[in-house]
Amino acid sequence: DVKVTQSSRYLVKRTGEKVFLECVQDMDHENMFWYRQDPGLGLRLIYFSYDVKMKEKGDIPEGYSVSREKKERFSLILESASTNQTSMYLCASSLPPVDTQYFGPGTRLTVL
Amino acid sequence: DQQVKQNSPSLSVQEGRISILNCDYTNSMFDYFLWYKKYPAEGPTFLISISSIKDKNEDGRFTVFLNKSAKHLSLHIVPSQPGDSAVYFCAASPGGVRRAGNMLTFGGGTRLMVKP
Repeated sequence: DVKVTQSSRYLVKRTGEKVFLECVQDMDHENMFWYRQDPGLGLRLIYFSYDVKMKEKGDIPEGYSVSREKKERFSLILESASTNQTSMYLCASSLPPVDTQYFGPGTRLTVL
Repeated sequence: DQQVKQNSPSLSVQEGRISILNCDYTNSMFDYFLWYKKYPAEGPTFLISISSIKDKNEDGRFTVFLNKSAKHLSLHIVPSQPGDSAVYFCAASPGGVRRAGNMLTFGGGTRLMVKP
């Protein structure tokens, strides 16, 4: 069974704080993804990594950065959190060439 | 512009009846489609997928139909059960096999409520 874990289920931060969200997968998947989910907008891709130290911007990368130093771990960084980054953040992984992605439980981030 | 659309934000169905969730796409390069189910406070879980070389794929109570000419897919759940109440997302992937794999484009989701 694929397991994707995220460091926190709920997080409350203040505007301007630096926020780290961590994701770990245990299936040796090459691809890892960060999404945010907002009502009516579905899942929107923030960043995607297809290998260690490799990353690609998704649809909404502004205000975010990522880090992938080890294959199993993919971090999402909010350099200076803002209230419009309040959202559910979801991490996923996949093993190419199969496109099926496996998701973690999500982190509900509230920025006050 | 949303390339994958789920036009019904919610659907209510009686237990035991059929649930039909619809999804439309605009990008003709999409050739692999997936459905995910999401409970509150959990991540989406993969449900079923279909490749564009097929027009139907079945897994137990879940069947996905693909109409390529209409750029439309649907998920049928028969019979519907209260435990099926969740948000359902359709997703699409472009053709070809890239070394890096392909990104998925998700629809906005449909909330299904199955009433006992």
